[in-house]
Amino acid sequence: DTAVSQTPKYLVTQMGNDKSIKCEQNLGHDTMYWYKQDSKKFLKIMFSYNNKELIINETVPNRFSPKSPDKAHLNLHINSLELGDSAVYFCASSGQGSDTQYFGPGTRLTVL
Amino acid sequence: KQEVTQIPAALSVPEGENLVLNCSFTDSAIYNLQWFRQDPGKGLTSLLLIQSSQREQTSGRLNASLDKSSGRSTLYIAASQPGDSATYLCAAIPYSGAGSYQLTFGKGTKLSVIP
Repeated sequence: DTAVSQTPKYLVTQMGNDKSIKCEQNLGHDTMYWYKQDSKKFLKIMFSYNNKELIINETVPNRFSPKSPDKAHLNLHINSLELGDSAVYFCASSGQGSDTQYFGPGTRLTVL
Repeated sequence: KQEVTQIPAALSVPEGENLVLNCSFTDSAIYNLQWFRQDPGKGLTSLLLIQSSQREQTSGRLNASLDKSSGRSTLYIAASQPGDSATYLCAAIPYSGAGSYQLTFGKGTKLSVIP
């Protein structure tokens, strides 16, 4: 059983399009996250979300928005895609507070 | 603002050697420090988590230490194997006061174990 899953694994799209990446966790965790790994392999937090609050990293453009239909899902919506959005996006989840975070396999987004 | 640094950026060792990966962080106010492994084209696998109140954690051939006062953590790998080849990432959860538990990552150490 996959603990944290993401779809799609690869996403190729044109500049200006709107796209979504889905994330699901079956661990019963309370908190979910989105991270971005750039071309230099550097991982940076974008969002964290539990059923109480959304915390947004100040450097994330407002074209990016997380949406959580339920506790097990945190989807990432991106509007008006730009070349610089090309990266690998990772979803993660954790249980109580600062517990270990479990990562999904990543979605490689390429914007042409 | 918390910054995490990992040295070296890359390391190549012969099979069987013991090795140490280094991680430093600028702000000692952390909840915990975690070590991850990332294989090419894959996600991250959690290796060890050291709580702020702990000094070390062990799992099999891996031992991680934490010295908050000096802002340092080390990951010790005993009797390295070719299957240990991967990028190792260190990450800290800083106190933010906002109830956030977001990881701050280093840039990783790419380890190659030569048969």
